[in-house]
Amino acid sequence: QSALTQPASVSGSPGQSITISCTGTSSDVGYYNYVSWYQQHPDKAPKLIIYDVSNRPSGVSNRFSGSKSGNTASLTISGLQVEDEADYYCSSYTTSSARVLFGGGTKVTVL
Amino acid sequence: QVQLQESGPGLVKPSETLSLTCTVSGGSISSYYWSWIRQPPGKGLELIGYIYYSGTTTYNPSLRSRVTILVDTSKNQFSLNLNSVTTADTAVYYCARVVRSSLYFDSWGQGTLVTVSS
Repeated sequence: QSALTQPASVSGSPGQSITISCTGTSSDVGYYNYVSWYQQHPDKAPKLIIYDVSNRPSGVSNRFSGSKSGNTASLTISGLQVEDEADYYCSSYTTSSARVLFGGGTKVTVL
Repeated sequence: QVQLQESGPGLVKPSETLSLTCTVSGGSISSYYWSWIRQPPGKGLELIGYIYYSGTTTYNPSLRSRVTILVDTSKNQFSLNLNSVTTADTAVYYCARVVRSSLYFDSWGQGTLVTVSS
């Protein structure tokens, strides 16, 4: 089962908005609204920032938002801040026996 | 707030078995799935598999032949065994709680680096 497709890197200036895409198929991203996003700072464990496409866990900044259209999910970070510089991974339920797929990760750089 | 902590050897020889334990504190192991996820150095995340507190398991098809995940509810722990390891199994191994309804990972351990080397 192939991983979900994310851009390798995205960059932006402080205060700007950036969007990270996560492309799958009709068997995963497009099947259910079960897409989640994780933020990972260097040498740290991933942290859940979005679940079920667009829901934020308690304590996560409302500058993070998620959406989905067809087989592509997106994470938008608005009002980009220096501390947002990290790797971001998407994940989706899949109808395959693997049940869960991850994206390859996107490195966000704040210029 | 639930906390997870991985433990086990940091060095395993090729062809041997990698064994890790995850201890869950601050909450019961019941009513959730519990997972193992790994991340090779400089690479992305890979789900190894997950287990329900009842013992039902789901494994990544690419690792299924070598993986066993077990749960011990009396100790609030679950474990990972990965046999016949090679250098390709060198990675940071994370345990994480899985929300059953839509299979997302809401709490993570800090991770433990396991190196496969002779």
